[in-house]
Amino acid sequence: GENVEQHPSTLSVQEGDSAVIKCTYSDSASNYFPWYKQELGKGPQLIIDIRSNVGEKKDQRIAVTLNKTAKHFSLHITETQPEDSAVYFCAAGDSWGKLQFGAGTQVVVTP
Amino acid sequence: DVKVTQSSRYLVKRTGEKVFLECVQDMDHENMFWYRQDPGLGLRLIYFSYDVKMKEKGDIPEGYSVSREKKERFSLILESASTNQTSMYLCASSYEGTEYSNQPQHFGDGTRLSIL
Repeated sequence: GENVEQHPSTLSVQEGDSAVIKCTYSDSASNYFPWYKQELGKGPQLIIDIRSNVGEKKDQRIAVTLNKTAKHFSLHITETQPEDSAVYFCAAGDSWGKLQFGAGTQVVVTP
Repeated sequence: DVKVTQSSRYLVKRTGEKVFLECVQDMDHENMFWYRQDPGLGLRLIYFSYDVKMKEKGDIPEGYSVSREKKERFSLILESASTNQTSMYLCASSYEGTEYSNQPQHFGDGTRLSIL
């Protein structure tokens, strides 16, 4: 089955700096890679996703890149703000909806 | 906006009790999922369902069962609760995906379950 590894487990950045979270997956059949943000006391919320026929996707300060050959994908947050502080999860999945999640990254943005 | 509602935010039960966690979605989604979330382990899939009365085991189904009698409702059942089932439980739903179109999962806010 699919196995997703996520690094780092914690990430501290100064406000305004960039944050990068990296994930690797094992199943070459995976074709969908969403990223979720979870704030304290809330469920995970989708922030961006990418499909295997696309190498990069950007939405304002958030971007995701995918390298299918190397089986890794990354989340980039630019110009970080205190409200970006949260736990971020990567996931890898198939067309039928099942996802395998990484262990999560606690991001702390300090003013 | 998609709404996935879990019936309880916090629940305290005793070992050996039968526990029901309820989840309702209002978007007519075909797929529904139950996960448990533990520190350092991320989200692990317990069971999922692609349709009414249909269920599939996820990665950690032992000690759990599910019920989907109506499309909008997916219940997780702990047959005989044990202390190692103390965790955060998350429900999610999504539209049916196809080979060319994946559908994102939408999550509820979770039920923090403590088994004493």
